[in-house]
Amino acid sequence: KQEVTQIPAALSVPEGENLVLNCSFTDSAIYNLQWFRQDPGKGLTSLLLIQSSQREQTSGRLNASLDKSSGRSTLYIAASQPGDSATYLCAVMPGDGGATNKLIFGTGTLLAVQP
Amino acid sequence: KAGVTQTPRYLIKTRGQQVTLSCSPISGHRSVSWYQQTPGQGLQFLFEYFSETQRNKGNFPGRFSGRQFSNSRSEMNVSTLELGDSALYLCASSFGYGSPLHFGNGTRLTVT
Repeated sequence: KQEVTQIPAALSVPEGENLVLNCSFTDSAIYNLQWFRQDPGKGLTSLLLIQSSQREQTSGRLNASLDKSSGRSTLYIAASQPGDSATYLCAVMPGDGGATNKLIFGTGTLLAVQP
Repeated sequence: KAGVTQTPRYLIKTRGQQVTLSCSPISGHRSVSWYQQTPGQGLQFLFEYFSETQRNKGNFPGRFSGRQFSNSRSEMNVSTLELGDSALYLCASSFGYGSPLHFGNGTRLTVT
């Protein structure tokens, strides 16, 4: 059974700092991995999607890497800003041939960027 | 381009009642999936519909059901509500298999 873990559960950093959020999964048979952010009381905003054959994806100040063999992904945020404060969630799509958009989510990392 | 729209935003129901939640996907998206988010269990997959067919179902009791219409809009229904059904219910749409999921702002259901 696929399990997704995110460490740390919470993180507080001063503005301008670079930071790394970690995500690990137990079954390397994934189709893709997605990173989302969730603001309080809101839905999820898609940040990056990495296909299982890719090693990393970049969007602006965000860079996500994937090491499928070791079951790990990291989200790197450069030059953090107070507006980056949110809960960050990673989710894996199983590659079991089911061809469905089922995602298995981690428990999230609550990020606070202090001005 | 309009995003995923979920209605209503908030619902308060009493134990034993039933409830219907609605989701309008992004135009052109044929896949709609539903998730339940609670503080204790996090985000859990409920089911996914594609072209009016349920493609997958999570580990939830039969009280949870859904459907998708020909215009890709989807509804989920929860019958005989229990206190533990209180949660944020999120709908997501996607163009196809493996494409990024786009989420709505959710429906906050409170069961008293």
